[in-house]
Amino acid sequence: ILNVEQSPQSLHVQEGDSTNFTCSFPSSNFYALHWYRWETAKSPEALFVMTLNGDEKKKGRISATLNTKEGYSYLYIKGSQPEDSATYLCASPDTGTASKLTFGTGTRLQVTL
Amino acid sequence: KAGVTQTPRYLIKTRGQQVTLSCSPISGHRSVSWYQQTPGQGLQFLFEYFSETQRNKGNFPGRFSGRQFSNSRSEMNVSTLELGDSALYLCASSGGWTSGGKETQYFGPGTRLLVL
Repeated sequence: ILNVEQSPQSLHVQEGDSTNFTCSFPSSNFYALHWYRWETAKSPEALFVMTLNGDEKKKGRISATLNTKEGYSYLYIKGSQPEDSATYLCASPDTGTASKLTFGTGTRLQVTL
Repeated sequence: KAGVTQTPRYLIKTRGQQVTLSCSPISGHRSVSWYQQTPGQGLQFLFEYFSETQRNKGNFPGRFSGRQFSNSRSEMNVSTLELGDSALYLCASSGGWTSGGKETQYFGPGTRLLVL
């Protein structure tokens, strides 16, 4: 059974702070690593799909890096805004099929003024 | 393009009853997956349907079943409801053709089920 872990469980930052959190996954049989943002009462929103060691993806103020050899990915948010408040989930497929994702329990980010 | 829709959004049932949840994928998507989220747990994979066939299955009892129709809409059924089935049920759709775990899944807003 694939084990995907995220840390920290929650994070509280001030507006303008930059922050980052971690997703750990088994480095063997790696296929891909997905990041999602999930705001309360909304659908989880896909941020990135990362597949290659050393991958870096960016979307606005959010970026992510991937290290498949050591089994971790970092998600960075630069200059956090209140609208960044959400739970950030990472997930990995335990087979080559993206539909069967194993999710971490998420990092809950709260950004206050 | 319309997103993934799920109906109903909220549901209250009693123990022993059965329930059917519906998911309409993004137009053109052939794969529909179902996930369960309970308090304190991450999203747990239930099953995936592709072209009307179950392609993947998670570790849930046989009380949880699903099907997919020719228009790719999917339904999930839970029979003999238990209190522990109270959860948020999400479905996600994708094209279903890309292998290697790289395809993005697009999630619906979920159905919140409360079993009393």
